[in-house]
Amino acid sequence: SAVISQKPSRDICQRGTSLTIQCQVDSQVTMMFWYRQQPGQSLTLIATANQGSEATYESGFVIDKFPISRPNLTFSTLTVSNMSPEDSSIYLCSVKPRGGMGLAGGQNEQFFGPGTRLTVL
Amino acid sequence: AQSVTQLGSHVSVSEGALVLLRCNYSSSVPPYLFWYVQYPNQGLQLLLKYTSAATLVKGINGFEAEFKKSETSFHLTKPSAHMSDAAEYFCAVSDSGNTPLVFGKGTRLSVIA
Repeated sequence: SAVISQKPSRDICQRGTSLTIQCQVDSQVTMMFWYRQQPGQSLTLIATANQGSEATYESGFVIDKFPISRPNLTFSTLTVSNMSPEDSSIYLCSVKPRGGMGLAGGQNEQFFGPGTRLTVL
Repeated sequence: AQSVTQLGSHVSVSEGALVLLRCNYSSSVPPYLFWYVQYPNQGLQLLLKYTSAATLVKGINGFEAEFKKSETSFHLTKPSAHMSDAAEYFCAVSDSGNTPLVFGKGTRLSVIA
């Protein structure tokens, strides 16, 4: 299975500032996604990070607030801009590997990074 | 568009009892269905998946799930609960290999000694 690391693992930030979260994968992956998990809630897709082009955002999320980069097939960043306490969440990077590996194989598996726990004061 | 409904935000069972976590899906095409587990302060771990092969899917830690198309369900079961099973469980659906997962709201499983 793909090994995914995220930096930072957690941070406490002041409102109005921005934080960039990095996601690094140990192998080339076809698709990368960013999710948000608000306290006590499920995971909500923010956007699909497209390599070499602009990210595709879900309804309710905009590029100005959550700019995303994906310069190659193993790395992506998510920036949370002009933060407010409502942005306090866990942000997770997720990937679908090329060729498919993991539990019984298959190209449909999606793996998740450990998450970045963000607290905005 | 696909969606997932998990019935019961919190399920409590006694140690050794049957675990049943319910998941119903909505999809306009044959779905890919997944169960993930999240232990406190940890990331997501894939328990099992259904991708149109066998309808009864076995996963890790003794869990299994059965795909029932007629009921649009993919309920997760384990014959005998263990204290270590206490966690948050998420059902998720995808309609193809290229689309991201859509998650249910999650079910918190408590195991009572």
